[in-house]
Amino acid sequence: QLQLQESGPGLVKASETLSFTCTASGGSIRSRSYFWGWIRQPPGKGLEWIGSVHYSGNAFYNPSLKSRVTIFGDTSKNQFSLKLTSVTAADTAVYYCVLQATDDRLRLEAFDIWGQGTMVTVSS
Amino acid sequence: SDELTQPPSVSVSAGQTARITCSGDALPKQFAYWYQQKPGQAPVVIIYKDSERPSGIPERFSGSSSGTTVTLTISGVQAEDEADYYCQSADSSGTYVIFGGGTKLTVL
Repeated sequence: QLQLQESGPGLVKASETLSFTCTASGGSIRSRSYFWGWIRQPPGKGLEWIGSVHYSGNAFYNPSLKSRVTIFGDTSKNQFSLKLTSVTAADTAVYYCVLQATDDRLRLEAFDIWGQGTMVTVSS
Repeated sequence: SDELTQPPSVSVSAGQTARITCSGDALPKQFAYWYQQKPGQAPVVIIYKDSERPSGIPERFSGSSSGTTVTLTISGVQAEDEADYYCQSADSSGTYVIFGGGTKLTVL
């Protein structure tokens, strides 16, 4: 069974770039059946979708974050990554990497597999 | 813009039935999914495509859809069901994901 594990910086300064890597084990991320995705959750708040990218190159991003977000994968390492630029305190959250199910039409379906999450604090 | 609206909280006595609603204009066109999140844990999907239950999810969890509202029903609520529940869908064009604000289920 596929498992995901995030790695991230823990603490960054405002205006810097946040970078995360998600490493998969127990299976390959090179699959037509999944998008590689990221979701975040500010402390005490709800879930916010950041974006989802398919290994074929199709990508979907949250319109409110799109200008600052890049998601990309390295199938040779069985990893995918998130970069978020120009961060502010509002970007403080637990960040989850996820595998999102899809079909032959690349519809955005359920988030089947989640990492345990990694907390990042943006300091001013 | 497309949004999903959930009640912030629902309280129910153990053994009773809990119903959590999620409303949104895109729901007649897009499937909904439900997640359960317990403190300090990642969410887990408990309902697919409005009403399908993944393997390993207890039968007391069920989902239904009617027009612009989908409903998660938990029959015979147990203390272990106390958690936050989120609905998820897509916008009407299917190009971005939307989450509801979440509902905290309290078991009395």
